Amino acid sequence: DGGITQSPKYLFRKEGQNVTLSCEQNLNHDAMYWYRQDPGQGLRLIYYSQIVNDFQKGDIAEGYSVSREKKESFPLTVTSAQKNPTAFYLCASSIGPLGQGYEQYFGPGTRLTVT
Amino acid sequence: GQNIDQPTEMTATEGAIVQINCTYQTSGFNGLFWYQQHAGEAPTFLSYNVLDGLEEKGRFSSFLSRSKGYSYLLLKELQMKDSASYLCAVRDISPGSNYQLIWGAGTKLIIKP
Repeated sequence: DGGITQSPKYLFRKEGQNVTLSCEQNLNHDAMYWYRQDPGQGLRLIYYSQIVNDFQKGDIAEGYSVSREKKESFPLTVTSAQKNPTAFYLCASSIGPLGQGYEQYFGPGTRLTVT
Repeated sequence: GQNIDQPTEMTATEGAIVQINCTYQTSGFNGLFWYQQHAGEAPTFLSYNVLDGLEEKGRFSSFLSRSKGYSYLLLKELQMKDSASYLCAVRDISPGSNYQLIWGAGTKLIIKP
């Protein structure tokens, strides 16, 4: 079955530590995205990538970094510079860029808690 | 500016019909998506409207009026499994938007027996 996997589902870290969230897709989609979801707010875009070896900052990229070395994989690193990292992180992909109206498919999410 | 408004929470009865509204303001509208999200899970795609009118998919229908900046999601014959949050997202093509989605905060729908 094709889909998007994110691991782990729950992640706990101490303040000051970097942490990397995994996102893998076997849908052969070109575009991938990272969002964070906080209570009472809409999804906010962190980074997106429309093609391998290329990515762009979203609305809230500060304190995060990504890489896109393979089409299937788009890991997100939450650095110690991110001031409020506790959130639900969602990875998504689409067959083509959003500019052409393609819907996004989401992974199950990783709930990160930093204390 | 860009803004999307949805009611925070709605309650409906099993077997009934419910309409979830979404109003938006953007200078570069180019399509509206509805997603369903069960608590703690991934959003799943429900519908996409880019032209005015009603799109029907089984028990779910979505309506768009571009002139009014308004959409609604209509759910018929409600089932308990429809208890979820419903997210409205607008595709923005205004300069500097990178054609990304602007998301509403979601409407939590509670279905009662």
